[in-house]
Amino acid sequence: DVQMTQSPSSLSASVGDRVTITCRASQTINTNINWYQQSPGKAPKLLIHAASTLHAGVPSRFSGSGSGTEFTLTISSLQPEDFATYYCQQNYSIPRTFGPGTKVDIK
Amino acid sequence: EVQLVESGGGLVQPGGSLRVSCAASKFSFSSVWMSWVRQAPGKGLEWVANIKPDGSEKYYVDSLKGRFTISRDNAKNSLYLQISSLTAEDTAVYYCVTGGGVFSSWGQGTLVTVSS
Repeated sequence: DVQMTQSPSSLSASVGDRVTITCRASQTINTNINWYQQSPGKAPKLLIHAASTLHAGVPSRFSGSGSGTEFTLTISSLQPEDFATYYCQQNYSIPRTFGPGTKVDIK
Repeated sequence: EVQLVESGGGLVQPGGSLRVSCAASKFSFSSVWMSWVRQAPGKGLEWVANIKPDGSEKYYVDSLKGRFTISRDNAKNSLYLQISSLTAEDTAVYYCVTGGGVFSSWGQGTLVTVSS
């Protein structure tokens, strides 16, 4: 199975900050990685697929990059609605696996 | 806009069985892969299973294989997850999700609680 790790596990930031979250895969997954945002008490939402393609309706302050085993999700200017938990997930192979999540809260 | 509405969750005794359902609407259900993803209270996301549009292929996470069965009824625009031999570790919110690998739309989830 492909294991996904994320760093940091949590971070505190202020509105307007630039935030970067890193995800690493235990083996190469090319660009078969997706990012999700989950606000408290809500279902996750797809933000980015195929490492860097923004899902429909997702603000352009979100971006993704990387290939192989190392990937990043960047929020260019954090907004109040962005305080949430972010998960990476690989769809290179079965079983689909998620990272443990990165919680972004208010500094 | 895609709509996915799960149902069938509730309190179940250890060793029991349960079927959770998902009613899909506002998209071409019979054309898309579907998946179940679960989330234990306060924990991360875990992919459970997916199923091909025509139901001919199904994949599961190994640790759950044998106890979980995914199925669909395209005539009813419905997705199902049958769970048997439930343990406390199966306590989770179960989400119905569009896609077999990229999970583009999610239902609100249904909570399954396994407890005596």
